[in-house]
Amino acid sequence: QVQLQESGPGLVKPSETLSLTCTVSGGYIRSYYWTWIRQPPGKGLEWIGYMFYSGSANYNPSLKSRVTMSVDTSRNQFSLNLSSVTAADTAVYYCARHIGEFEAFEIWGQGTMVTVSS
Amino acid sequence: AIWMTQSPSSLSASTGDRVTIACRTSQDISTYLAWYQQKPGKAPKLLIYTASTLQSGVPSRFSGSGSGTDFTLTISGLQYEDFASYYCQQYYSYPRTFGQGTKVEIK
Repeated sequence: QVQLQESGPGLVKPSETLSLTCTVSGGYIRSYYWTWIRQPPGKGLEWIGYMFYSGSANYNPSLKSRVTMSVDTSRNQFSLNLSSVTAADTAVYYCARHIGEFEAFEIWGQGTMVTVSS
Repeated sequence: AIWMTQSPSSLSASTGDRVTIACRTSQDISTYLAWYQQKPGKAPKLLIYTASTLQSGVPSRFSGSGSGTDFTLTISGLQYEDFASYYCQQYYSYPRTFGQGTKVEIK
């Protein structure tokens, strides 16, 4: 079955760029929508944005100026870059899949904890 | 952005109880609503989509209802493995938004 696995540095310095990758196994990245969501420790869920395999995307306005997403169909991966991070960006970051733009997030990765600290 | 308000924020219940969690949205979202279950240290898991459709593999004791701005998640006959946090989420418009969560604890 399809599985998602997030990867990337667990520690990022303030003002630097957080870079994460989600690797899709057991299925193809084409024809699906791919989303990043985060959850600060002990808090709720925040949608970061999505990207379709073709390149169309939509980002949360609260993060839009700092977010870039990309899809690499040859590697079956999609990525998140979040620039100029602060301690407020400390969170568990999840990738998720949905089958349509207006669909729920049906498959989630296990999440990866990112701490912003010097 | 559409605001999502869940109630209660937490509740205590016993196995076998019927539990109801409410989710209210700040504007009409038709039935573009999902419910997720999250256990400590784990990723959220999709339970229900389009307000009332059970995701494949989810036990039938879970049910959802509502449309417009008022929605409900019901667990009929709470099981030990159901003690977790539950989140509603709208996918009617951008940005996608979640409720603040409801923690279901053992009484």
